[in-house]
Amino acid sequence: EVQLLDSGGGLVQPGGSLRLSCAASGFSFSTSTMTWVRQAPGKGLEWVSSISGNSGTTYYADSVKGRFTISRDNSKNTLYLQMNSLRAEDTATYYCAKTISGSYGIANYWGQGTRVTVSS
Amino acid sequence: DIQMTQSPSTLSASVGDRVTITCRASQSISRWLAWYQQKPGKAPKLLIYEASRLESGVPSRFSGSGSGTEFTLTISSLQPDDFATYFCQQYNTYLFTFGPGTKVDIK
Repeated sequence: EVQLLDSGGGLVQPGGSLRLSCAASGFSFSTSTMTWVRQAPGKGLEWVSSISGNSGTTYYADSVKGRFTISRDNSKNTLYLQMNSLRAEDTATYYCAKTISGSYGIANYWGQGTRVTVSS
Repeated sequence: DIQMTQSPSTLSASVGDRVTITCRASQSISRWLAWYQQKPGKAPKLLIYEASRLESGVPSRFSGSGSGTEFTLTISSLQPDDFATYFCQQYNTYLFTFGPGTKVDIK
């Protein structure tokens, strides 16, 4: 059974940093493209970033480019999102997800989400 | 960037109704469109990808159609479990834009 467990969220001040983690199990993590999607409170979905299985290809939304870094440790079956220079508008629930084969953005398995609040 | 719109934003319907949601892209995305269902407090669930391909395990009452810039999600006979918010998402370009969502609630 595919399982994705998001963690690392919390309250952080504007300008601060946070690292999200996503522990994966039940599938071949090292060959799977992974993605992060976020959802601000009461709002719609926003794709954030995606990474290929070998970390050779990464994509970022314009809203986070230069501030967020996606990475993975295939030996630990874990996906990460390093978030720097956080802004109030980054407040959201962040979901990690596994994408369908051959896609960087279509997610067929999702974590439960981890909430990030950026506030002073 | 490709912008996605959905209509209606809210839809009131009854169990057994046929429901259609429309998604439009600001430029052609071929058939690179997916549909998700999301319930309050839960992660989204993939329903359809490549405009009309049903994800494994999704009931056959869900169907998708369209290409280019206009797409539809149809629920042939609305069930109690289907009251939720539905999002479309384009993946023609790597900026994987979502639509704003359509909430289906009980009439």
